[in-house]
Amino acid sequence: EAQVTQNPRYLITVTGKKLTVTCSQNMNHEYMSWYRQDPGLGLRQIYYSMNVEVTDKGDVPEGYKVSRKEKRNFPLILESPSPNQTSLYFCASSLVREAGEQYFGPGTRLTVT
Amino acid sequence: GQNIDQPTEMTATEGAIVQINCTYQTSGFNGLFWYQQHAGEAPTFLSYNVLDGLEEKGRFSSFLSRSKGYSYLLLKELQMKDSASYLCAVRAAGNKLTFGGGTRVLVKP
Repeated sequence: EAQVTQNPRYLITVTGKKLTVTCSQNMNHEYMSWYRQDPGLGLRQIYYSMNVEVTDKGDVPEGYKVSRKEKRNFPLILESPSPNQTSLYFCASSLVREAGEQYFGPGTRLTVT
Repeated sequence: GQNIDQPTEMTATEGAIVQINCTYQTSGFNGLFWYQQHAGEAPTFLSYNVLDGLEEKGRFSSFLSRSKGYSYLLLKELQMKDSASYLCAVRAAGNKLTFGGGTRVLVKP
């Protein structure tokens, strides 16, 4: 089954404790992206990647890191999480070609206390 | 930068038609997407426009005017299951994607 998976689905952590949210897709998509979704602010792109070893900043990259060592994986790293990073996070992937619709993962709800 | 505006909320009756407008300002345009998102779930793709005009897909249609920076999503023969948020997103040159705040549509019997 074609899908985007994220882990964990739920995470409660404390300020400053490094964490990684994994994202994996099995559709051989070149394009992968991370978003956060907050009430009243909608979906905002954090980072995206056009292919292996190619990453670019989205609209809200501060406080986040990503890597794209393999085509299928695109982990999101929070080196020192803060409470303002409490949010719902989505990973998505698509083909690069023009009409590449994005497939979203199920989301990760992160709470930083 | 990019700016995308869409209404916050709309209410319509089952069986009716609803039109959700989206206006955008962007530096470089590489396509406009509409997504549907039910509460607590991930967004799912509805439509894509890159050229001016209307794209029809069953009960859903999407229109684009690049010169006006304007798009709309038309939902026909509304069903209760269409109650959801509808997200307009613009892809700029370089494939950066920016979403609007979303329009919550409530379908009433």
